[in-house]
Amino acid sequence: TQLLEQSPQFLSIQEGENLTVYCNSSSVFSSLQWYRQEPGEGPVLLVTVVTGGEVKKLKRLTFQFGDARKDSSLHITAAQTGDTGLYLCAGEGEANFGNEKLTFGTGTRLTIIP
Amino acid sequence: GAGVSQSPSNKVTEKGKDVELRCDPISGHTALYWYRQSLGQGLEFLIYFQGNSAPDKSGLPSDRFSAERTGGSVSTLTIQRTQQEDSAVYLCASSSPNHPQAGANSYEQYFGPGTRLTVT
Repeated sequence: TQLLEQSPQFLSIQEGENLTVYCNSSSVFSSLQWYRQEPGEGPVLLVTVVTGGEVKKLKRLTFQFGDARKDSSLHITAAQTGDTGLYLCAGEGEANFGNEKLTFGTGTRLTIIP
Repeated sequence: GAGVSQSPSNKVTEKGKDVELRCDPISGHTALYWYRQSLGQGLEFLIYFQGNSAPDKSGLPSDRFSAERTGGSVSTLTIQRTQQEDSAVYLCASSSPNHPQAGANSYEQYFGPGTRLTVT
């Protein structure tokens, strides 16, 4: 069974601060996605990383896929209140290559305080 | 274009009753997924349909849960003899490997807004 553990589970910081959220597993993933979910809505895809060591930037958000493709991080610079939400990582397992089934992480609930 | 829709948005039912939750995926998407989310935490995989292949039912928690996908489009998740621990948000998603963001081995899942089920 592939598990994705996210840390921290909850994070509350002041607007303007930086933060990092982690997604870790003992399993190798062929790709990893990050989603953000707002209350009353379904998750929305932010980014997909595919190559070990890959770094992708989306404005103030920086996503990194670990070299061994077992872990990932999301770094937010100068957090804004609009960043508040539940952040979910999701991996496509190597065993499931070509299969669209994803394993979702445990989630990080981020609150940005004005 | 229209996204994934789910109905009802909220469902309150008494313990022991059966419920049906509906999902309308994005037109043309071949894959459809059901997840359960409790207390705003991570998503628990329930079942996955891909085209005409046999569904992957490995996440269904008990035989009280079943799902169908008719004509490769609309799906219904049925929970029989509901229990209080079934209370959660049930999310549906669809995907297509032909989406522009899809790489050789990655697929974006488009989620519906979910159905909040409360069993009293």
